[in-house]
Amino acid sequence: GENVEQHPSTLSVQEGDSAVIKCTYSDSASNYFPWYKQELGKRPQLIIDIRSNVGEKKDQRIAVTLNKTAKHFSLHITETQPEDSAVYFCAASINGNNRLAFGKGNQVVVIP
Amino acid sequence: GAVVSQHPSWVICKSGTSVKIECRSLDFQATTMFWYRQFPKQSLMLMATSNEGSKATYEQGVEKDKFLINHASLTLSTLTVTSAHPEDSSFYICRVQGLGDYGYTFGSGTRLTVV
Repeated sequence: GENVEQHPSTLSVQEGDSAVIKCTYSDSASNYFPWYKQELGKRPQLIIDIRSNVGEKKDQRIAVTLNKTAKHFSLHITETQPEDSAVYFCAASINGNNRLAFGKGNQVVVIP
Repeated sequence: GAVVSQHPSWVICKSGTSVKIECRSLDFQATTMFWYRQFPKQSLMLMATSNEGSKATYEQGVEKDKFLINHASLTLSTLTVTSAHPEDSSFYICRVQGLGDYGYTFGSGTRLTVV
């Protein structure tokens, strides 16, 4: 089955700096890669996603890049702000269908 | 955007009792609902996939007789934790998919504590 690995497990950055989280996946049939932000005690919120026919996608301060050959994708947050502090989960579709396998999450702390 | 309601938001129950969790899509028809479990500071683990009107598909290692899933309508799926034990204490959360997309919306989650 799909195995999604997420690194690093924790990341601290100074406010205004950039943060990068990387994920790798194992299933070559995976074709959908969403990123979720989860604040303590709340539901995960989709922040950006990318499909396998695209290499990069950007939405304001957030971008995602995908390398299908290497089977990894990354989340980039620029100009970080304290409200970006949360746990971020990457996910990959399983067998190219609508089920998702999640990474273990990354705790991002933005230091004011 | 899609609105998904999950109820209850938290519940405390005694060992051996059963607990039912509801997941409702309020403004669209949910063809598929996914149930996840999340232990503290851990990832979301997919438990099962339910399609309206058919039996749920369980992931490996998830006991179907313990975690009963019913998806009787296009707007409601329920997860019943039967004969709950303390090790079942967790955060249970649904994810909902409508027609033609992968489904971006999670329910608000249910914090289950079994004492």
